[in-house]
Amino acid sequence: GENVEQHPSTLSVQEGDSAVIKCTYSDSASNYFPWYKQELGKGPQLIIDIRSNVGEKKDQRIAVTLNKTAKHFSLHITETQPEDSAVYFCAASSNDYKLSFGAGTTVTVRA
Amino acid sequence: NAGVTQTPKFQVLKTGQSMTLQCAQDMNHEYMSWYRQDPGMGLRLIHYSVGAGITDQGEVPNGYNVSRSTTEDFPLRLLSAAPSQTSVYFCASSDIAGGRVETQYFGPGTRLLVL
Repeated sequence: GENVEQHPSTLSVQEGDSAVIKCTYSDSASNYFPWYKQELGKGPQLIIDIRSNVGEKKDQRIAVTLNKTAKHFSLHITETQPEDSAVYFCAASSNDYKLSFGAGTTVTVRA
Repeated sequence: NAGVTQTPKFQVLKTGQSMTLQCAQDMNHEYMSWYRQDPGMGLRLIHYSVGAGITDQGEVPNGYNVSRSTTEDFPLRLLSAAPSQTSVYFCASSDIAGGRVETQYFGPGTRLLVL
């Protein structure tokens, strides 16, 4: 099955700085890579996703890049704000209805 | 539009007891799934369903049963609870397009403690 590794496990950044989270995956057939944000006491919520036919996608302060050759993808958050503090999960899926998640990154934005 | 709802929010069980975690969605999604979330391990897929009457196993199915008699509901049954099943359980639903799962919408979770 798919194995997704996520780094770092914790990340502390100064407000206004950028945050980068990296993930690698093992199954070369994976073609869908979503990122979820989980706030304390809530369920995860999709913030951005990318499919294997594109290399980069942006949505305001959030961007995701994908390198299919190296089998890794990254989340970039620019101009971080206190409300960006949360746990972030990467995930990967092929066409088998199963989504495999990374272990999560706890992001803390210091005021 | 309530999205995905889960009950109960919190449950304490004794080893060997059985219970059902309820999940319902009002978005007419074909796909529904159950995950468990443990510290340092992310979310792991327990069971999933691609439509009424169709279910399949995920990564960690042992000790859990599911059924899908309607599009809206996808209950998760613990047959004989064990301390290893102490976890936070999330239900999710999504559309299916071109044979693949689209954006998954998660419920608020059920926190289960097995003593």
